[in-house]
Amino acid sequence: EAGVVQSPRYKIIEKKQPVAFWCNPISGHNTLYWYLQNLGQGPELLIRYENEEAVDDSQLPKDRFSAERLKGVDSTLKIQPAELGDSAVYLCASSKWTGGNQPQHFGDGTRLSIL
Amino acid sequence: ELKVEQNPLFLSMQEGKNYTIYCNYSTTSDRLYWYRQDPGKSLESLFVLLSNGAVKQEGRLMASLDTKARLSTLHITAAVHDLSATYFCAVDATGTYKYIFGTGTRLKVLA
Repeated sequence: EAGVVQSPRYKIIEKKQPVAFWCNPISGHNTLYWYLQNLGQGPELLIRYENEEAVDDSQLPKDRFSAERLKGVDSTLKIQPAELGDSAVYLCASSKWTGGNQPQHFGDGTRLSIL
Repeated sequence: ELKVEQNPLFLSMQEGKNYTIYCNYSTTSDRLYWYRQDPGKSLESLFVLLSNGAVKQEGRLMASLDTKARLSTLHITAAVHDLSATYFCAVDATGTYKYIFGTGTRLKVLA
């Protein structure tokens, strides 16, 4: 079974530029999560999708962040414009469904550096 | 607001020794997850604990859950160098499906 695939692995941009991250979840996984992980801290949820519906985006800074999951499979997370404080690792995770005995399967993440 | 605390934050231990990592959370939950993260890598699921009194074991690691005390433990038996990593617990308040991760415990096992 292929794991969660994220790209790019690394991204360096200047502040105020736009950036996008892509995630391909495990086949058959209906739930998809985007997390932000700062150095030395645990992941923080940004948004959760059930199929193509964003069911929890309460932690997503909507003034600059946006996300979509077309057709309920792949997902993209966008930041526009990026700020210095956005430097972090952005993790995508998926699970068959929400809760119960379903752990989340994480991708390798995209490490974002803002200059 | 659900808060998840782990202690210790850092743990340096000798090979062959035993130790326990603690995960406390602040609101009602009956689901708790443990993950491992190696430096520069992503998170790997270790255990899913779904009920009060649940105990899971894999190799030298054993996890337990006490929902009444809002406490989970991750016990390490006879540590080996390969267990060096950061360990996270994650909890979702009952009915929310919003997973809150602890700050992590960075474990270093010395040869």
